Amino acid sequence: DTGVSQDPRHKITKRGQNVTFRCDPISEHNRLYWYRQTLGQGPEFLTYFQNEAQLEKSRLLSDRFSAERPKGSFSTLEIQRTEQGDSAMYLCASRMLGLDGYTFGSGTRLTVV
Amino acid sequence: GENVEQHPSTLSVQEGDSAVIKCTYSDSASNYFPWYKQELGKRPQLIIDIRSNVGEKKDQRIAVTLNKTAKHFSLHITETQPEDSAVYFCAATPGANNLFFGTGTRLTVIP
Repeated sequence: DTGVSQDPRHKITKRGQNVTFRCDPISEHNRLYWYRQTLGQGPEFLTYFQNEAQLEKSRLLSDRFSAERPKGSFSTLEIQRTEQGDSAMYLCASRMLGLDGYTFGSGTRLTVV
Repeated sequence: GENVEQHPSTLSVQEGDSAVIKCTYSDSASNYFPWYKQELGKRPQLIIDIRSNVGEKKDQRIAVTLNKTAKHFSLHITETQPEDSAVYFCAATPGANNLFFGTGTRLTVIP
C-alpha cells in the first residue's frame, strides 16, 4: 500500500444519473477526507471521517451527496441526481490523527453532460 | 471558517531566479500551514509545511516563512528550474480537522 487510491479516474455521466466514487486510504491512516476541486481553484473541503464516524460535513455537501466509510477503511462518495455544476475533480486524502501530513489521491474527474 | 487568500495567481520567472508566493489567513487558531504542488492532471503533493510555533523552515531550495502576528506565510523557491513549473497551493488548518486551501499560483519557469 503505497498511497491513496481512487476509482474510477474518470467518470462521464448524464445529468440526473447517480454516481459513486471509491477511495482507499493508506491503511494505517484513521482520518479520511473528501475534497472537490474545480478548474483554477484550490480543493474545497466536503467531509471527513475518523475511522467509520463522519465527523464534519461542509455546507457544500448538499443532500444529494452522501459519504460512507462503513468499516473504517475505504470510503465511498455518492452523488444522486447529478447536475452539470457537479462536474469537478473529487479528491480523497488521508492522514493519521496526531500527525500532520495529508496524502492525496489522484482524484476522480466527474463530467456531467 | 478559515479564509485563505493567495497571491499572485500567476507567476513567471526566468530559470535560476527566485519565486515567492504569499498567503494570508483569517483564523488566528490556525496552527498548521502546508504547501502543495500540483502538476496538470496529478494529485496535490506536499512539498513543505510549517507549524505555528516555528517562524521559518527550509528544505534545500524551498523555504516557508510564517508571521503569526500578521497572519501571513510565504513560499520561497530559489534557483528555480523548469520542473518547478506547476500550480502551488497554500493551506491552513484551525484545530487540525481539515485543510482550507488558497486559490493557487500557476508558476512558470522559463528556460
